[in-house]
Amino acid sequence: DTGVSQNPRHKITKRGQNVTFRCDPISEHNRLYWYRQTLGQGPEFLTYFQNEAQLEKSRLLSDRFSAERPKGSFSTLEIQRTEQGDSAMYLCASSQSQQGSGAFFGQGTRLTVV
Amino acid sequence: AQSVAQPEDQVNVAEGNPLTVKCTYSVSGNPYLFWYVQYPNRGLQFLLKYITGDNLVKGSYGFEAEFNKSQTSFHLKKPSALVSDSALYFCAPLRGGNNRLAFGKGNQVVVIP
Repeated sequence: DTGVSQNPRHKITKRGQNVTFRCDPISEHNRLYWYRQTLGQGPEFLTYFQNEAQLEKSRLLSDRFSAERPKGSFSTLEIQRTEQGDSAMYLCASSQSQQGSGAFFGQGTRLTVV
Repeated sequence: AQSVAQPEDQVNVAEGNPLTVKCTYSVSGNPYLFWYVQYPNRGLQFLLKYITGDNLVKGSYGFEAEFNKSQTSFHLKKPSALVSDSALYFCAPLRGGNNRLAFGKGNQVVVIP
């Protein structure tokens, strides 16, 4: 296992289109996180899964955003009706569930909405 | 709630000189503190963490950090900076029971050849 994998690495889409990103976590990690990072800022938490259950969602996650982790393994993040303000790097991370376990991040998916 | 402050937006250091990136924290309870590094257009890479035990924590790429409870600090250090250390550095506490990291803006480190 080489770490957290995210696809695609880059996505350019027209405003109003839907996009979907995929994250494959480290296989023995049962926690999975999505973050968003805009230029000059640190990553902002979006949502978190424990196995297949989505246990927390940030207020940043508008109704146009939805995330799933159907079998407790890979996860998808979908953005509907994209807006220019959605342009950002979307980062996925995974961790073990012991308190104090650090998260390991993927390379991210850079979304540009034109 | 746990939060951190990284007081300097950018740290400039000459290659070969010691590098320090500062982080102070405010906590309720015992802090779990992490350092991550981010190279341009890349994800974050874990450097080191403090959970409990020895105050001096050694991490990847020759970095270390010292947890100082009296000064509520967790500064990142490297004895001799390399040009390849130029990157964005984040100090982050764990927040809540879900192991969620709470990031600030980070510090840009520029190592000058």
